[in-house]
Amino acid sequence: KQEVTQIPAALSVPEGENLVLNCSFTDSAIYNLQWFRQDPGKGLTSLLLIQSSQREQTSGRLNASLDKSSGRSTLYIAASQPGDSATYLCAPYNAGNMLTFGGGTRLMVKP
Amino acid sequence: DTAVSQTPKYLVTQMGNDKSIKCEQNLGHDTMYWYKQDSKKFLKIMFSYNNKELIINETVPNRFSPKSPDKAHLNLHINSLELGDSAVYFCASSRHSWDSEAGYTFGSGTRLTVV
Repeated sequence: KQEVTQIPAALSVPEGENLVLNCSFTDSAIYNLQWFRQDPGKGLTSLLLIQSSQREQTSGRLNASLDKSSGRSTLYIAASQPGDSATYLCAPYNAGNMLTFGGGTRLMVKP
Repeated sequence: DTAVSQTPKYLVTQMGNDKSIKCEQNLGHDTMYWYKQDSKKFLKIMFSYNNKELIINETVPNRFSPKSPDKAHLNLHINSLELGDSAVYFCASSRHSWDSEAGYTFGSGTRLTVV
């Protein structure tokens, strides 16, 4: 059974810092992996989807990497802004197109 | 135009009642899902349907009965509500049940509070 751990659970940084959010998963037989953002009281917004054959994916200030064999993914946020404050969720895809979520990293970027 | 829409957004009800949450997607996807986010914020899959057929049921109590009248709709009916059912319920869809290349699209969630 897939288990997903995200470290750190919470992070508070001043504006402008570069950040790394970590995600590890126990079952490396994944298809793809998706990073989401969740704002308080809101739904999930897809940030990046990394195909299993890719090692990284970029969108604007976000870069996600995937190392299937070691069961790790990282989300790099460059030049953080207060608007980046949210919970970031990592979710690998397993058989049946099923997502397993980590507990998230709660990010606060202070002006 | 909202891609995956859920109604209602908030639902407060008493223990023992029966309630339904509706979900509709206009993306032309074949597969729809229900996920539950508990008070500790963990998101877990409950059900998945592909073209109106149930394909995943993650040991959810049979008080929860999903219904898919067509592939664009997946409703969740809950009988005899219990305090522990209080959570945020998210509907989602994907292109196919076997294809994660395009990923999931989630609805905005329904916050259910049982009192």
